[in-house]
Amino acid sequence: DADVTQTPRNRITKTGKRIMLECSQTKGHDRMYWYRQDPGLGLRLIYYSFDVKDINKGEISDGYSVSRQAQAKFSLSLESAIPNQTALYFCATSDLRGGGQETQYFGPGTRLLVL
Amino acid sequence: AQSVTQPDIHITVSEGASLELRCNYSYGATPYLFWYVQSPGQGLQLLLKYFSGDTLVQGIKGFEAEFKRSQSSFNLRKPSVHWSDAAEYFCAVASPGGSYIPTFGRGTSLIVHP
Repeated sequence: DADVTQTPRNRITKTGKRIMLECSQTKGHDRMYWYRQDPGLGLRLIYYSFDVKDINKGEISDGYSVSRQAQAKFSLSLESAIPNQTALYFCATSDLRGGGQETQYFGPGTRLLVL
Repeated sequence: AQSVTQPDIHITVSEGASLELRCNYSYGATPYLFWYVQSPGQGLQLLLKYFSGDTLVQGIKGFEAEFKRSQSSFNLRKPSVHWSDAAEYFCAVASPGGSYIPTFGRGTSLIVHP
């Protein structure tokens, strides 16, 4: 059973459409993250949340918004999708209980194509 | 701010050969260091991590990495590569005392020839 799940796994949409990517975790972690992966660029942080009431912008938040509905759920929205948002999107979780020695656990990814 | 460089975009090895993937970081003190692997169509899986202590770290799947402070490096090694090791490998660095959020390198793609 996967600890971090993402839905959908694949999505094709058109320019200007609103789309939501969802992430759920059963690890009981407080911290959740959204990254995007582009070939040759590695992973770049979009948004992160340290708990339900704490949302922070990452390196590349423009054009994206997030919602932390519960400890276990963290959604990423593209209000008006554009082609350069075509990418592989990853959700991750971590737990800071280890005094800062936290490890991130990743979902399987959502492949998004914006036409 | 921390940063990480993976100098090799692609590495090609023969099955059974040894492997070393390079990772260099920039940070003013001793960072937290990670190696992740991404198999085709999969998410990222943690191979190993370094927080403190012994600078030679053992991970899963027969991988190890060595933290060398003098060289600001955390290279990943495996003595004998298997065809199933073909994947994308990411090095990441995080700053103790900060937000602890890791910064990822751009990745190294490992190709394994039979």
